[in-house]
Amino acid sequence: KAGVTQTPRYLIKTRGQQVTLSCSPISGHRSVSWYQQTPGQGLQFLFEYFSETQRNKGNFPGRFSGRQFSNSRSEMNVSTLELGDSALYLCASSSSGGANTDTQYFGPGTRLTVL
Amino acid sequence: AQSVSQHNHHVILSEAASLELGCNYSYGGTVNLFWYVQYPGQHLQLLLKYFSGDPLVKGIKGFEAEFIKSKFSFNLRKPSVQWSDTAEYFCAVKNQAGTALIFGKGTTLSVSS
Repeated sequence: KAGVTQTPRYLIKTRGQQVTLSCSPISGHRSVSWYQQTPGQGLQFLFEYFSETQRNKGNFPGRFSGRQFSNSRSEMNVSTLELGDSALYLCASSSSGGANTDTQYFGPGTRLTVL
Repeated sequence: AQSVSQHNHHVILSEAASLELGCNYSYGGTVNLFWYVQYPGQHLQLLLKYFSGDPLVKGIKGFEAEFIKSKFSFNLRKPSVQWSDTAEYFCAVKNQAGTALIFGKGTTLSVSS
């Protein structure tokens, strides 16, 4: 099976702009989670989608949003970019997201740099 | 709130040395536990996981971890490291009712040949 894919792999934006990142889960996986990875804060959970519904949300401002499509592909959007949003954004997919034996598999990430 | 603590920020070993990376979590209920590894330039990969049963779990590349419930610990071990084990290692916990992984800050392992 193909793994989790994320596009684009690298992005450079300026403060105030908005950005959209895309994630395609492993075939058959219906849950998609997003994480932010920075040197200072490490890996932090952003949100999780299952069957086009946000099921769980981390402690991030409303500038961070996401959605999931009927084919389980997901996008996340960051509006009014700030310098502190520079990070590696990781997408992870799992079969159902909530089962006791569910395991998340990660994509390569999108490296966002905000200037 | 759940949290995960990894005791060592940076570990430096010579090839063939034994490895133990500490991980403690705070959560009173039943949890699922994971170790992920991020090799230089590569994406986060699952090393091993614990859901239930035998507290000693074996993963890929000769790694194993032991879940000690009374100590809220899930330490990662490898008897003999190789240069190719140089990477960053993350411990993560998920409560069984939740969907979010809570990660530790990570431990960078450098192995010299």
